[in-house]
Order: sequence, then C-alpha cells, then structure tokens
Amino acid sequence: QSALTQPASVSGSPGQSITISCTGTSSDVGSYNLVSWYQQHPGQAPKLMIYEGSKRPSGVSNRFSGSKSDNTASLTISGLQAEDEADYYCCSYARSTTFGVFGGGTKLTVL
Amino acid sequence: EVHLVESGGGFVQPGRSLRLSCAASGFTFDDYAMHWVRQVPGKGLEWVSGISWNSDSIGYADSVKGRFTISRDNAKNSLYLQMNSLRAEDTALYYCAKDMEAVLSFGLDSWGQGTLVTVSS
Repeated sequence: QSALTQPASVSGSPGQSITISCTGTSSDVGSYNLVSWYQQHPGQAPKLMIYEGSKRPSGVSNRFSGSKSDNTASLTISGLQAEDEADYYCCSYARSTTFGVFGGGTKLTVL
Repeated sequence: EVHLVESGGGFVQPGRSLRLSCAASGFTFDDYAMHWVRQVPGKGLEWVSGISWNSDSIGYADSVKGRFTISRDNAKNSLYLQMNSLRAEDTALYYCAKDMEAVLSFGLDSWGQGTLVTVSS
C-alpha cells in the first residue's frame, strides 16, 4: 500500500489562504469519502481537523475546510495564523485488506 | 474527557516480541473502532492496524501483516498490539487512536501520547 502524496512543504503569510493537496488512487481517495486531515505540532500527538472529506469536528476553526476532486483531496486554511504552523497529514480508507493509508505529511510555515 | 494511555513499549532485540496496551477511559469503549498508528521520530505518520467495535473487521499495513496482531477486550476497555518478529524498522512511537465510528472510518478523533518501541541489537 503506497502512501498518499502530499507536498513536502507549503508556506504563506498571516491572513492568506493556503491549500495542501493529497493525491491517491481510485482504490483509496478516489473511491471513498473517508479522507481525514490531521494537524501535528512538534512534540504533540496529532489532532483531527477534517473527517469524511469535508466535515469539521466540534471545536475546529471554520478557517479549515476540506474538499475532494477525483483522486485528490485538499485541505484549505484561510486567514492563516501563526498557530497554524505545524505538520499536516491526510489519511484515507483504502479498498484492500490493508484498509488505511496516510500521506507523507506537509510542513506548513507561516512567514 | 477521552483518555488513552499506551504502555508496553521499550527496548527489544530484533526477532523478539513485544505487546503494547492502550487503556481507554472517558467514553463507551465498545461503541468505537480503534487504531494503532506509529511515527518514527522526526518522520511521518504510518497507520499500523485498526479494529472495529466488535473485532469483526481488522486491517493491517502491509509492513506489519503477518507479524502484528491487534485485539481488544471491551470488558477491560483495552486495546492491544502483539508485535512479533520485530525488526529495526519497527522502531517508532506507537499511538493508540479512537475512531469516530464503530467501524473503520479513519476519523481518528482522540489520540494517546504514545509509547516508544526501540528495536536494536
């Protein structure tokens, strides 16, 4: 099971919007609406930001949004804030006995 | 408040075994699927294994299939990972994570702080 493909890094200035892509295949991202996104600050456990492609858990800012087109899922963060600087990972259900796969992670830098 | 506490990590030689445990509290354990996710320090997350609420649905990453076994004891609110034939590449911080659903949906809404496994001779 190959990892989902994410850009290694993205950056943006405070107040701007950025988008992180997560590219899979028709066996995972493309076939199911079970993509989730996680934020991880250094030394901390990951935090769920988006589930089922576009849903936000209670307590997560509405500056975070998720979408999908074909085999690519995307996480958009609007109104960038310094506290958004972190690593971001996508995850998807996969159609196989393996079931699950993460992306390689994207380091977001707020300039 | 959901609380997940992993234990059982440590230093082990290649080829040996280790059993990780995750004690859950603050929610109805048998209503939710559970997962193990690992992370080599400084590297990315890797999904290791997941188990549905009633253990009917279980999955493993290709990298651990045939060597690791996930299980749960709903009466004890506990999740386990039996790791056999350990390799150096299994060295990582192992997280226990709760799913949002009873089946494997991969919305992991609560995580423990992890237990470190080091495999070395």
